[in-house]
Amino acid sequence: GENVEQHPSTLSVQEGDSAVIKCTYSDSASNYFPWYKQELGKRPQLIIDIRSNVGEKKDQRIAVTLNKTAKHFSLHITETQPEDSAVYFCAASIRDDKIIFGKGTRLHILP
Amino acid sequence: DTGVSQNPRHKITKRGQNVTFRCDPISEHNRLYWYRQTLGQGPEFLTYFQNEAQLEKSRLLSDRFSAERPKGSFSTLEIQRTEQGDSAMYLCASSPGGLAGETETQYFGPGTRLLVL
Repeated sequence: GENVEQHPSTLSVQEGDSAVIKCTYSDSASNYFPWYKQELGKRPQLIIDIRSNVGEKKDQRIAVTLNKTAKHFSLHITETQPEDSAVYFCAASIRDDKIIFGKGTRLHILP
Repeated sequence: DTGVSQNPRHKITKRGQNVTFRCDPISEHNRLYWYRQTLGQGPEFLTYFQNEAQLEKSRLLSDRFSAERPKGSFSTLEIQRTEQGDSAMYLCASSPGGLAGETETQYFGPGTRLLVL
C-alpha cells in the first residue's frame, strides 16, 4: 500500500524567512497530494493541494511542487508569520477513497 | 455552522465499555470517512462510505469496531469492549463525492477525543 514519509519532524524558522517541508510517496499511482494544517486541539484544515498532472501550484505565500519521477513533493511557505505556527501534514491518495498522511511537521515561527 | 460536526467532543470511558461516536457531514456530501489520530501522528484511515455503502475498511478496524451510515447522511462509529490502546482522536471527514474515481477535498470535523482508563 501507499506510504508517505515527511521531513523534518520539527522546523524552526525566523519570522519573515521561508519554510520548506518535504515528502516522499511510494505508490506511483498516487495522483492527489493535499497539505493540511492542524493547530493545537483543532481539526486538520486543507491549505493547498496538487494533482499529478500539475508540477507546481501557488496560493499567495504558499506553494507546492511535485516531482512525479522522483515521487516527492514539497510545501514552501514564504514570508512566514506567527500564525503559520502549527503542525503540517502532507498526504497522498490514489483514488477516491482514503488519503494516506505523513507523520507531520511541527513548524515554529520564531519572533 | 455548515461544516462537519462530531459528537461528543470528548469521551472518557473505562476499559471494557462500549462507546459510540456520531458524525454529521457537510450537507449533500456523499462520501464520509473515519480516521484515527494518535498524539504526534498523522490521521490514519479507518473506513469510508459512499452514501450508505461502506466501501473500504482498514485492517486497523478490528472486529470490535463497527461503522454505519444507514440513511446516507450521518454516520456512527462504535467501539465495543474498549481497550487502552483505543485512546485517540477519532476524526470524521466528508467530500462531495461527485467525481467518480477522483479524489476530492476532504473536510474534517473537530474530532472526538477518546480516553480509555
